[in-house]
Amino acid sequence: DAGVIQSPRHEVTEMGQEVTLRCKPISGHDYLFWYRQTMMRGLELLIYFNNNVPIDDSGMPEDRFSAKMPNASFSTLKIQPSEPRDSAVYFCASSLPRGGYTFGSGTRLTVV
Amino acid sequence: AQTVTQSQPEMSVQEAETVTLSCTYDTSENNYYLFWYKQPPSRQMILVIRQEAYKQQNATENRFSVNFQKAAKSFSLKISDSQLGDTAMYFCAFMKQPTSGTYKYIFGTGTRLKVLA
Repeated sequence: DAGVIQSPRHEVTEMGQEVTLRCKPISGHDYLFWYRQTMMRGLELLIYFNNNVPIDDSGMPEDRFSAKMPNASFSTLKIQPSEPRDSAVYFCASSLPRGGYTFGSGTRLTVV
Repeated sequence: AQTVTQSQPEMSVQEAETVTLSCTYDTSENNYYLFWYKQPPSRQMILVIRQEAYKQQNATENRFSVNFQKAAKSFSLKISDSQLGDTAMYFCAFMKQPTSGTYKYIFGTGTRLKVLA
């Protein structure tokens, strides 16, 4: 298995632009998570899905952030409009019940 | 609410020596899972070891082992025969039993470990 695949690996965008981060979970994993990592706040859970249904989005910072999982093999995290304070590494992870997470390699987002 | 505390922001160890990273947590749950993740400079998050709270036996994975003290709510990671490739940020994580209706990690702030040649 290729593991959890995230794209792009790096993204630089201008403030106000829309940003879309993509994730392909491991086949058969029915949980998918989006985390954000910054020096100041560490690892923060943004949202997670079970069988493509959002279960907990309490970590989504504000309405500028949205996440979708249209099918079992694809999820997106969108930021519109982006702001410099959104600069971070965004991780996607997937899991089986009771299993440990498998993380993707992350997307480093820089908003200038 | 659950919290996870890693009180050592940075540590260093000589190659081939043993080092122990500390993690404490606070919970009122009786059943839960604990994890250690490694994040090398490549930024990939790699699962090192996991422990189920109902198991008294400490988990081991090759050179990595844990000292799980449930009553003390302590979950330390021991790395034996440290190697240069162990240089990384190490995160401790807590997860309630999934049957509780939630399935998310609570991460500590991490310990940066440097292995010295």
